[in-house]
Amino acid sequence: NAGVTQTPKFQVLKTGQSMTLQCAQDMNHEYMSWYRQDPGMGLRLIHYSVGAGITDQGEVPNGYNVSRSTTEDFPLRLLSAAPSQTSVYFCASTDGAKQFFGPGTRLTVL
Amino acid sequence: SQQGEEDPQALSIQEGENATMNCSYKTSINNLQWYRQNSGRGLVHLILIRSNEREKHSGRLRVTLDTSKKSSSLLITASRAADTASYFCATVRAGGATNKLIFGTGTLLAVQP
Repeated sequence: NAGVTQTPKFQVLKTGQSMTLQCAQDMNHEYMSWYRQDPGMGLRLIHYSVGAGITDQGEVPNGYNVSRSTTEDFPLRLLSAAPSQTSVYFCASTDGAKQFFGPGTRLTVL
Repeated sequence: SQQGEEDPQALSIQEGENATMNCSYKTSINNLQWYRQNSGRGLVHLILIRSNEREKHSGRLRVTLDTSKKSSSLLITASRAADTASYFCATVRAGGATNKLIFGTGTLLAVQP
């Protein structure tokens, strides 16, 4: 099993550009989540999903959209990138107990 | 902010010593989990303790939970240089979605060889 995979690993955007961060898991987990990690802040939940077709907002959802059309994929869309969205983004899936994290995407918005 | 807090923010010890990290949280919980993050990598799950449990062990790890004080501690015994990492606690709120975790701010542990 590949576990949780994320692409790209690194990305630089200009303010106002849009992009999609990809996340996929091959463990048939129903639950998936997106977090951002900023220095000194720990991880903060952006959006999460409890199954295909079901998504909900986390702690810091503004400026981000998600969809969950399949069990495997949970993409995160930045609609109009802002410098405040410079961060490291982690996707995770869970079997109902522990979470399995992807390797992260380091995003810089200029 | 909903985030919990961890204490200390940073800890430096010698190989072979024990390391203790503390976590405080704000709401009633279903469970509390501890994760490790090596520099530049994703998080790895270490241990989960449910709200009706008071202590749990896994190898060199010992976790305690005091729901009356809304606090938890992680003890790593006989530390090794490979234990050098950031450690985070995370809680699942009582009645909340199982994947809606609230993370603490982390403790950076440095184990000197």
